[in-house]
Amino acid sequence: EVQLVESGGGLVQPGGSLRLSCAASGFTFSSYWMHWVRQAPGKGLVWVSRINSDGSSTSYADSVKGRFTISRDNAKNTLYLQMNSLRAEDTAVYYCASAHMTAAPLDYWGQGTLVTVSS
Amino acid sequence: SYVLTQPPSVSVAPGKTARITCGGNNIGSKSVHWYQQKPGQAPVLVIYYDSDRPSGIPERFSGSNSGNTATLTISRVEAGDEADYYCQVWDSSSDVVFGGGTKLTVL
Repeated sequence: EVQLVESGGGLVQPGGSLRLSCAASGFTFSSYWMHWVRQAPGKGLVWVSRINSDGSSTSYADSVKGRFTISRDNAKNTLYLQMNSLRAEDTAVYYCASAHMTAAPLDYWGQGTLVTVSS
Repeated sequence: SYVLTQPPSVSVAPGKTARITCGGNNIGSKSVHWYQQKPGQAPVLVIYYDSDRPSGIPERFSGSNSGNTATLTISRVEAGDEADYYCQVWDSSSDVVFGGGTKLTVL
């Protein structure tokens, strides 16, 4: 059974940092592209970032570029999102999701982890 | 950047057909994926590559894509179909793009 389990969310002050993790199991993690998608309270889905299967290529939404860094450890079957210089508008549930390749659907999703940026 | 436009809400009576549209410039040239999200849950893929259904998704769910509009069609709507639905494409300049979402209400 495919499982994606996010962790690392919580309350952080504006300007602070947080690192999210996404532990994968039940599939060949190293063969899949991985994405982070967020959803602010009561709002829609917004794509944040993606990384290719071997970690050599990354992409970011303009709203997080220069502040967030996506990475992966294929030996540990884990995806990461390092979030720096956090703002109130980064408050959201953050989901990790898998995809076979570029342009492929996000076929499996984690349950999400809530990040709250507030003083 | 590429923009996808969905109606905020669609209402349908049980047993009828719901159609949720997703508009985008020449979207017919792109592959469209659709997700269902129920309250407090993660999104679930219901249609991929315009019209394919993942295993476990009822045949009542179907999709089409042409010109500037993609459509998710849900036949014989049930109360359990009530959810938010999102379309999504990949764009070479924007990477992954989601529509704003449509709340399906079963009357």
